[in-house]
Amino acid sequence: AQSVTQPDIHITVSEGASLELRCNYSYGATPYLFWYVQSPGQGLQLLLKYFSGDTLVQGIKGFEAEFKRSQSSFNLRKPSVHWSDAAEYFCAVGASGTYKYIFGTGTRLKVLA
Amino acid sequence: ETGVTQTPRHLVMGMTNKKSLKCEQHLGHNAMYWYKQSAKKPLELMFVYSLEERVENNSVPSRFSPECPNSSHLFLHLHTLQPEDSALYLCASSQVLGPREQYFGPGTRLTVT
Repeated sequence: AQSVTQPDIHITVSEGASLELRCNYSYGATPYLFWYVQSPGQGLQLLLKYFSGDTLVQGIKGFEAEFKRSQSSFNLRKPSVHWSDAAEYFCAVGASGTYKYIFGTGTRLKVLA
Repeated sequence: ETGVTQTPRHLVMGMTNKKSLKCEQHLGHNAMYWYKQSAKKPLELMFVYSLEERVENNSVPSRFSPECPNSSHLFLHLHTLQPEDSALYLCASSQVLGPREQYFGPGTRLTVT
């Protein structure tokens, strides 16, 4: 069955520290991969996407993600976290020929000053 | 207005009321979506419209009734809701139907009493 797993429900990091949020997927077709961020009281905003090509993709707000087919992973990284990065992060997977995403359950990031 | 807007932002309704949620996208997109976001659950896709035609009705109870009068507007009509329908309802749009990035509105926080 198709699925997306974000193993960490909550992550706490200090401001200025590096960040990695994990996303693993199970999908039969070639995946289209997305990371979204949701601030409190807001909708989801696209951080970055991977469709094909270079497996390291750059996004907005200094985020990047790396697609690793062998590990079925698409982890999100940021070298230095800012207090404004505190939010909930969602990984999503789609596939060619379908308009449906499968969303993960999200990882809530807390940033300590 | 830019992006995707939703009104109202907050709604409290009794189980016998009838209300409507409105979504408007200012992006010139052809596809629009309704999602339900409940605590500790992945986003649930409810309805999908492409060029004003409904292409998905994801086993949603009939007390939720969508309407898409044109490619810029999407409504969700609500009647005789249950307390478990309390959630954040998100509208999204994409340029075309398919595994494209989706642009989300801020959502309507619905509480059913």
